[in-house]
Amino acid sequence: EPEVTQTPSHQVTQMGQEVILRCVPISNHLYFYWYRQILGQKVEFLVSFYNNEISEKSEIFDDQFSVERPDGSNFTLKIRSTKLEDSAMYFCASGVMGANVLTFGAGSRLTVL
Amino acid sequence: GESVGLHLPTLSVQEGDNSIINCAYSNSASDYFIWYKQESGKGPQFIIDIRSNMDKRQGQRVTVLLNKTVKHLSLQIAATQPGDSAVYFCAAGSGGSNYKLTFGKGTLLTVNP
Repeated sequence: EPEVTQTPSHQVTQMGQEVILRCVPISNHLYFYWYRQILGQKVEFLVSFYNNEISEKSEIFDDQFSVERPDGSNFTLKIRSTKLEDSAMYFCASGVMGANVLTFGAGSRLTVL
Repeated sequence: GESVGLHLPTLSVQEGDNSIINCAYSNSASDYFIWYKQESGKGPQFIIDIRSNMDKRQGQRVTVLLNKTVKHLSLQIAATQPGDSAVYFCAAGSGGSNYKLTFGKGTLLTVNP
């Protein structure tokens, strides 16, 4: 069964450092998303991406965040200067045009010290 | 805005019993609802979805009920098995195929053998 794969599974970084989380969506999917889940809290929408541009973003997704699809397979989330409160599990998801079901990856745990 | 909440944070059942997990949503514009299962160390896994033009949908051992009048949905799992032990999230969305989902906090289901 096709999967969304994410790397790294866990990253520890110092506050103020840049972090890039990587995702390989399912190959025929055209819609891409990042969600995050702070420990013990809800899964929260960050951003959606389609046709090489951001289609929607949440209040969480401020100027410190950016997304990119540098090639035909990868979808990345960059945090320019990490803060303690960025510590969370970050989930990538992808979907097919016209379909509603999102397939989530296993997540990348980010710990900011 | 949208908020989605779960009535019970934990649910413990005996193997073979039926489980019912409840969820409330606040946004009348929500027209699409999904139940996700999240096992430890994994991303949310799609279980079943329902559109607002339906009030019931059945899958394999699972049934989702939607009551739009009171903005409530439930997930029923028949003959619960130890492998069903996980955190269950409801999520709500609205609009076309570019789904921005709002998740509930999650209910931890524990199935006792």
